[in-house]
Amino acid sequence: SQQGEEDPQALSIQEGENATMNCSYKTSINNLQWYRQNSGRGLVHLILIRSNEREKHSGRLRVTLDTSKKSSSLLITASRAADTASYFCATDAGGATNKLIFGTGTLLAVQP
Amino acid sequence: GAGVSQSPRYKVAKRGQDVALRCDPISGHVSLFWYQQALGQGPEFLTYFQNEAQLDKSGLPSDRFFAERPEGSVSTLKIQRTQQEDSAVYLCASSLALLAGVGTDTQYFGPGTRLTVL
Repeated sequence: SQQGEEDPQALSIQEGENATMNCSYKTSINNLQWYRQNSGRGLVHLILIRSNEREKHSGRLRVTLDTSKKSSSLLITASRAADTASYFCATDAGGATNKLIFGTGTLLAVQP
Repeated sequence: GAGVSQSPRYKVAKRGQDVALRCDPISGHVSLFWYQQALGQGPEFLTYFQNEAQLDKSGLPSDRFFAERPEGSVSTLKIQRTQQEDSAVYLCASSLALLAGVGTDTQYFGPGTRLTVL
């Protein structure tokens, strides 16, 4: 079963605009990761934020984490047509395994 | 360097056939994971290896699913007597993580095998 839910399920924006995706999860986590998936490149790791961090940046990506609300957001600034893809958040399950539990994903379409 | 590779990329099977899906992880990666991704959904965990030891197989949906990694490198996911509900993309991932439970290391995913059961 999925750990989290992503919101919105689908998002369509114009090139140059910012895109914000949200992720909610259910249990305590060690860290949360964001992945991108498109047909050309498969599932690609974007960024990892640990439970003791509140915000992290990587290029045009900004991730926030609020462990009290069990939620995270991914902001993509100055979007490009090449950013068109599905975006997933994934949380680690903790314990003795390192498995990831993925959300349901947000389908982002960036119109040129 | 080379990433995670999987073969075949596409597999069509008739219901009842057995299939074997192969994963070549990144060289030196200790941890290997299999996930199943249904259409329009996020990947769901199937099983996890640390070297050759299968430490977690809690996600395998039935006893028709079997995975192995005998030499701690290449892994094979086998599905016996395939059913239509087995149709999905099967993703393999590897990570360098040396110590389970410390906190998830970045997992690098292969392109997946799309299995269609007719």
